[in-house]
Amino acid sequence: GAGVSQTPSNKVTEKGKYVELRCDPISGHTALYWYRQSLGQGPEFLIYFQGTGAADDSGLPNDRFFAVRPEGSVSTLKIQRTERGDSAVYLCASSPTASDTQYFGPGTRLTVL
Amino acid sequence: EDQVTQSPEALRLQEGESSSLNCSYTVSGLRGLFWYRQDPGKGPEFLFTLYSAGEEKEKERLKATLTKKESFLHITAPKPEDSATYLCAVQGPEGGKLIFGQGTELSVKP
Repeated sequence: GAGVSQTPSNKVTEKGKYVELRCDPISGHTALYWYRQSLGQGPEFLIYFQGTGAADDSGLPNDRFFAVRPEGSVSTLKIQRTERGDSAVYLCASSPTASDTQYFGPGTRLTVL
Repeated sequence: EDQVTQSPEALRLQEGESSSLNCSYTVSGLRGLFWYRQDPGKGPEFLFTLYSAGEEKEKERLKATLTKKESFLHITAPKPEDSATYLCAVQGPEGGKLIFGQGTELSVKP
């Protein structure tokens, strides 16, 4: 079956601009996660959804970052007023429930110039 | 504070030269410890989940073990295609987020 998909695969933007990153989870998975990975580091947790609601957003670095999952499937990570330090690979994962194995998408590489 | 430390940061092996990667962790109530493989430019690929001390799991040339403080990923007679970054992560008692180590970059030369 289809895995987790993320679009776009690459995004280049200018400092101060707004960006949206999209994640399509595996069909039927109720839990969806966002992580951020900098070069040479492991993924760092940002937020996770159980259904439509954010169950844990403790990893969001500041109020410029926001995520939604309005229908309990597709999720969008939104970053306002981007900064050069936001440059990283943004990974999405999904799992059948919050206690199950997480399966990752290929990531979106964000570059802020 | 929950924490995961992997060692070594990088490991170079000759084809057929067996070795082990280490993952040390501190977590307030381990729900599960996860091993992933990550190839350059790709997302992490799931390998194993371990739930309790003494548990072992195997897949081809890989074997993962777990104690109360650390996990090992043993690689037996590695091949060049095993070259990748191996990530370890822990999940606390409430499930949800994974806390990752920084990874071990493995290179296997023919």
